[in-house]
Formats: sequence, structure tokens, C-alpha cells
Amino acid sequence: NAGVMQNPRHLVRRRGQEARLRCSPMKGHSHVYWYRQLPEEGLKFMVYLQKENIIDESGMPKERFSAEFPKEGPSILRIQQVVRGDSAAYFCASSPRAQTDTQYFGPGTRLTVL
Amino acid sequence: GESVGLHLPTLSVQEGDNSIINCAYSNSASDYFIWYKQESGKGPQFIIDIRSNMDKRQGQRVTVLLNKTVKHLSLQIAATQPGDSAVYFCAEKGGTAGNKLTFGGGTRVLVKP
Repeated sequence: NAGVMQNPRHLVRRRGQEARLRCSPMKGHSHVYWYRQLPEEGLKFMVYLQKENIIDESGMPKERFSAEFPKEGPSILRIQQVVRGDSAAYFCASSPRAQTDTQYFGPGTRLTVL
Repeated sequence: GESVGLHLPTLSVQEGDNSIINCAYSNSASDYFIWYKQESGKGPQFIIDIRSNMDKRQGQRVTVLLNKTVKHLSLQIAATQPGDSAVYFCAEKGGTAGNKLTFGGGTRVLVKP
């Protein structure tokens, strides 16, 4: 049973470009969460999605960031017009249900903005 | 705002000894707590969890203790091995925070041979 898949593992962008991060949850999981981690810090919640719905986006920056989880295909975290401060590791987690289930994490995408 | 914090940023332990990692949480409405292990360049790996209706839970070589009176969580690792070297995070969920996890800042465990 494959775990949470994320790609790319490493992404380099120049300032002003767009970054698109993908997450495929574990089989049978319909809840996806995105977190961001700066070096030597803990993970910070960004957004929680179910299929075709954003449930909680309280951790998402108001501008340039968006997320989706379509009926078919992976969840996408999109960062437009990236800036150097966006450099971080972005982790996706999934769970079969929400309220009482453990979230299992993917390997992360490490974004570097030049 | 609510947060989860750790007392010690780095813990050095001799191979074979027991390790104890502590965590304080401030959201009294949290009802679910998890410990994750993160190795360099990897995602957080689930270790053990505990719900607020319990005060102790044991796994393989690990034990989590929950003291709701003082809002304290700890992870005990028995017979620490070199492979246990990593950063350990506690996380909590529940109450007004909903389904999102709130993570502490992490404790680095270094196992000396």
C-alpha cells in the first residue's frame, strides 16, 4: 500500500515564477492537508481539503497561494509570483476521515526560490 | 494563540539508555495528541498517538504519557538506538482548532554510540 506521494521532491524557481506542488493521498484517503516547514522549525498548517472542497484555509496566505483537490487526480498547491520567503519544505498529509484519524505525511517538496 | 511547545531543543543520549522528550500544550480543548519522528530530508513519520481520555499508551519501545492537569505530554523511548536519532515533534488536534494539527518546535535527539 503506497504512502502519500508528493512531486516534485525538489523544485527551484526564480522570483516571479509559479510553483505547482502535487500530492496524491494514500489509497482510500479522501482528506488532504498541506503544511509548510521552515528550516529548524515545526510544521505550520496551511489548508485542509476534501474532494472538490476546501474545508479550512485558515493557514493560507491571503495572496498568491491557492489549493485544490479535484474529483480526479492529485491535490495541487499553487504559489504564484514566488518570492524568496516562500522557500521552505511543503508537506502533504492524508487521512481516511477527519475527526479522529491520524494524518500520514508524504516526503515533502523542497521549494527553493532564487 | 494556542500553541504546543517543547522544553528541550536538543537531547543527547547514550545508546542503550532511555530517552524522554517533553512537550507542553496550551489548548485545553485538544483531544488528540501525536508524536512524529522526522529524519533529515524526510517527512514526519507517525510514532504513537493518544486520546484525551487516556493517560498512557505503549507501543514498541515507546510510551506516551498525557497529564491533562498540567497540560503536559511526554514520549519515552526505551533502549535508544542510533536509528532513533532524529527530530521529534509533538502535535495536537481538536477543540476550536478543528482537524488541523498544531505542531511544537521539535526536539533533536542525538544518540551517542
